[in-house]
Amino acid sequence: DVKVTQSSRYLVKRTGEKVFLECVQDMDHENMFWYRQDPGLGLRLIYFSYDVKMKEKGDIPEGYSVSREKKERFSLILESASTNQTSMYLCASTGDIYGYTFGSGTRLTVV
Amino acid sequence: QKEVEQNSGPLSVPEGAIASLNCTYSDRVSQSFFWYRQYSGKSPELIMSIYSNGDKEDGRFTAQLNKASQYVSLLIRDSQPSDSATYLCAVNSMTTDSWGKLQFGAGTQVVVTP
Repeated sequence: DVKVTQSSRYLVKRTGEKVFLECVQDMDHENMFWYRQDPGLGLRLIYFSYDVKMKEKGDIPEGYSVSREKKERFSLILESASTNQTSMYLCASTGDIYGYTFGSGTRLTVV
Repeated sequence: QKEVEQNSGPLSVPEGAIASLNCTYSDRVSQSFFWYRQYSGKSPELIMSIYSNGDKEDGRFTAQLNKASQYVSLLIRDSQPSDSATYLCAVNSMTTDSWGKLQFGAGTQVVVTP
């Protein structure tokens, strides 16, 4: 089974901190994605990557950056965390047309 | 205009009955269609995929696709309390600039009542 592993299940950070969310997949997938999910707003795409060193902005990239130095790892960075970035963050990967596999999610609270 | 639309629900279904969920999409070149189940506080889990017109059955789940009418549906037969979740419809247009990237609906909440 494809595994997508997110490093933290729950995270509490202070306003202004730099936050790193890590995602690792073990199936050699080219495509990786970061979403946030908020009640009533559904899944919103933050950034995605089709290959190592490549990144594309999604629908809501403001306040975020990403890094993909190795194929299996896609990191989401909150440069200066704010309370409106409190959310569930979901990483996903896919190598083909067969849909995403999601990680278990990171519930981030910024205080 | 939303690209993938679903009724938000909640859809209340008696235990043992059939739950019927619908999804419409706007992009005519869409080629791959998926249903995800998401339990509260958990991440989405892929339960069905369909790529051609018609029906696809997997256990108690049946996905139905009609590309001409641009809709995809999910039937859950013999609904169980464990089916209570939010079901997300997702569509892949497979165009050059969107390959691999899914468009998600907002999800339909299903509540199965004993």
